[in-house]
Amino acid sequence: DGGITQSPKYLFRKEGQNVTLSCEQNLNHDAMYWYRQDPGQGLRLIYYSQIVNDFQKGDIAEGYSVSREKKESFPLTVTSAQKNPTAFYLCASIGRPNTGELFFGEGSRLTVL
Amino acid sequence: AQTVTQSQPEMSVQEAETVTLSCTYDTSESNYYLFWYKQPPSRQMILVIRQEAYKQQNATENRFSVNFQKAAKSFSLKISDSQLGDTAMYFCAFSMRFGAGTRLTVKP
Repeated sequence: DGGITQSPKYLFRKEGQNVTLSCEQNLNHDAMYWYRQDPGQGLRLIYYSQIVNDFQKGDIAEGYSVSREKKESFPLTVTSAQKNPTAFYLCASIGRPNTGELFFGEGSRLTVL
Repeated sequence: AQTVTQSQPEMSVQEAETVTLSCTYDTSESNYYLFWYKQPPSRQMILVIRQEAYKQQNATENRFSVNFQKAAKSFSLKISDSQLGDTAMYFCAFSMRFGAGTRLTVKP
């Protein structure tokens, strides 16, 4: 079955360490997105990529980095520059034709110790 | 940036009754899509309903329907015959942006 796979589901990190969250999709979708969700808040856009080897900053890109070397993969690195990285991270994609509907992975919970 | 506003952080409804969740948005575009997503305790995001802005008719999916007022930039979700399984966070979304969400609790 097609879908979006995020890993790991739970991740613990010490302060000062970088960590990379994986997002893989087999839906043949062009556009992929990363969101951050904090308790009681909506989803905030971190980065998005509409095509391989191209990506744009979202609303809260500081302290994060991404790459898009393959259509199927859009990893997110949470760097030590991110002041408050503890959150739930969601990866999503949009298929073709572009209806705008987002398909989501199951999310990754990052906790900084 | 586009903005999406949900002004009801929490709502509750009795089982079998009807509830309406509000959403407003801001855009200068004329053609776009609007969405409502549901996030149950599992945290998996699920599409509830989609509305295309150029369509006059309000979208309906079984017990879920919308009241889309384009001029007012309003997009509310009505849930009829509420069920316990409807308990979840509901997010309004537009152009990659999401509202803050409404936590809906359906009471038996």
